[in-house]
Amino acid sequence: DTAVSQTPKYLVTQMGNDKSIKCEQNLGHDTMYWYKQDSKKFLKIMFSYNNKELIINETVPNRFSPKSPDKAHLNLHINSLELGDSAVYFCASSQEGLAGGLNEQFFGPGTRLTVL
Amino acid sequence: GIQVEQSPPDLILQEGANSTLRCNFSDSVNNLQWFHQNPWGQLINLFYIPSGTKQNGRLSATTVATERYSLLYISSSQTTDSGVYFCAAESYSGAGSYQLTFGKGTKLSVIP
Repeated sequence: DTAVSQTPKYLVTQMGNDKSIKCEQNLGHDTMYWYKQDSKKFLKIMFSYNNKELIINETVPNRFSPKSPDKAHLNLHINSLELGDSAVYFCASSQEGLAGGLNEQFFGPGTRLTVL
Repeated sequence: GIQVEQSPPDLILQEGANSTLRCNFSDSVNNLQWFHQNPWGQLINLFYIPSGTKQNGRLSATTVATERYSLLYISSSQTTDSGVYFCAAESYSGAGSYQLTFGKGTKLSVIP
């Protein structure tokens, strides 16, 4: 069974559209994340979320919003897509660490978003 | 915020050779992870290592937190080791929250 899964794997869309990427984890973890990997392979965290708190990277435009229907899911909604949003988006999850720190992170397979 | 630097940025090895990848971080960290991104883009966690040394098969990692660096050793490299190796440092970002900062990676190519 896949531990962290994402759908779709590929997403091609026009500028200005609204799209969503889904993420599910079956590891029983408390915390989920969204990362963006740009064309230079640089990975940057966008959001982390557990049942207590949403932490947003201040550099993320407010066109991006995470939605968590339950503990096992964290979906990413993107409004008014722009060319610069083209990237690979990774979902990840971890158990909340002792003393509140992060714990070992497990990544999904990624979603390659291409905005035309 | 914390800075994470990896070296070398690129590395080409003959199959069977050994190598050491380095990760330096600019401030105290809560923890450190090593990941391998294979040529198909999948991210696989290799080690979760705040300090000390861990081994997993041909791979081992050592973190010296007091000196702010971590090393990843690959012995008897194989073509399947090719890909990008990332280290990521976990640091406290205030108000009870933590963040994970990635280095830019070391791209490893193992040739037969």
